Amino acid sequence: DTGVSQDPRHKITKRGQNVTFRCDPISEHNRLYWYRQTLGQGPEFLTYFQNEAQLEKSRLLSDRFSAERPKGSFSTLEIQRTEQGDSAMYLCASSWLEDYNEQFFGPGTRLTVL
Amino acid sequence: KNEVEQSPQNLTAQEGEFITINCSYSVGISALHWLQQHPGGGIVSLFMLSSGKKKHGRLIATINIQEKHSSLHITASHPRDSAVYICAVNDDKLIFGTGTRLQVFP
Repeated sequence: DTGVSQDPRHKITKRGQNVTFRCDPISEHNRLYWYRQTLGQGPEFLTYFQNEAQLEKSRLLSDRFSAERPKGSFSTLEIQRTEQGDSAMYLCASSWLEDYNEQFFGPGTRLTVL
Repeated sequence: KNEVEQSPQNLTAQEGEFITINCSYSVGISALHWLQQHPGGGIVSLFMLSSGKKKHGRLIATINIQEKHSSLHITASHPRDSAVYICAVNDDKLIFGTGTRLQVFP
């Protein structure tokens, strides 16, 4: 399967714990995006990378959130000291900038904070 | 006011009906996407368009750049079309509408 993959698919954690999610994009894609989707809403932008450079971060991304793409391939999104409001689906997408930036989505990681 | 507005929010139809979902946006864009999301969360890209009209099977997407409006049409709807349809505009990152929940009954 050469699509975008995310791990884990589901994560249940207690408030105050740290969690880390991984996204593996389509291999030749140079852009990688993180979005968050809460129940009944459309996804919201969190951050994106072009190769290993983080080009933009949303104001939604508080200091407890950090994302990396160290070698320009896979990316991790870490949430420290999780809060119940962090419960959401975290979506990753990748694209090839030169291809009009058509984005391909992973299956998402559903986070539940108890 | 949201930058991307979709209507209707919910839509029910009988199998075979012609369906239209509308999207209006207020920002400058390079392209507009129509996405489909099934229960469980997976998002699939249906169309990406920057002008005119595209067709794929029973799905048709149109965009009017001057009016900042796009429509997604489904002809001869089927229960398997039941999903959430999301409009998103491309400003480097995607800016999403809240989605239209479609249920097609046999």
